[in-house]
Amino acid sequence: SQQGEEDPQALSIQEGENATMNCSYKTSINNLQWYRQNSGRGLVHLILIRSNEREKHSGRLRVTLDTSKKSSSLLITASRAADTASYFCATDARSSGSARQLTFGSGTQLTVLP
Amino acid sequence: GAVVSQHPSRVICKSGTSVKIECRSLDFQATTMFWYRQFPKQSLMLMATSNEGSKATYEQGVEKDKFLINHASLTLSTLTVTSAHPEDSSFYICSAGGLAGRVISYNEQFFGPGTRLTVL
Repeated sequence: SQQGEEDPQALSIQEGENATMNCSYKTSINNLQWYRQNSGRGLVHLILIRSNEREKHSGRLRVTLDTSKKSSSLLITASRAADTASYFCATDARSSGSARQLTFGSGTQLTVLP
Repeated sequence: GAVVSQHPSRVICKSGTSVKIECRSLDFQATTMFWYRQFPKQSLMLMATSNEGSKATYEQGVEKDKFLINHASLTLSTLTVTSAHPEDSSFYICSAGGLAGRVISYNEQFFGPGTRLTVL
């Protein structure tokens, strides 16, 4: 079953505007990651925030994490048409061998209109 | 960053045939590889986890006899969809983690570009 739920499912904005996506999860986590997926392609890792962190920045990306509410948000500032993609949060709570398994949220489809 | 390739990128086959998908880590060695399935407009669902040299661990509801996984080396894992049916049509994505011989974040996974399987 899906660990995370994301909202909105779809978001359409104008170029230059900010886009905010939210993710909620159910169990305790070690960290939360955000990924981007262009249509029909693989995933690109965007940013990782650890369970003891509350906010993290990377370029135009800002991620927050509220472990008390079991939620995270991804903010993309000054959006560009090239940001059009699906965005997924992923949590890791189980380990297998030397790597942790990821559980993905349902995703947000972002469309940035030029 | 680490690069993971998948082959083929797209495959169309007839119902009842078997299809093999390869996942390779190109410039690093990975002790663990993950296989995901993604249906249109849905999220990734973990199918199985394979550690090099040992049997794969399958998620609940995934038939191990239908989805055969082999992780024979630190750079190659294969997923074989046996006796494929139209309901197996999906986007299959692998990822590699647990990079061998490298002190990394325990959390890193590197994803392949995916394989689109269409079963007629």
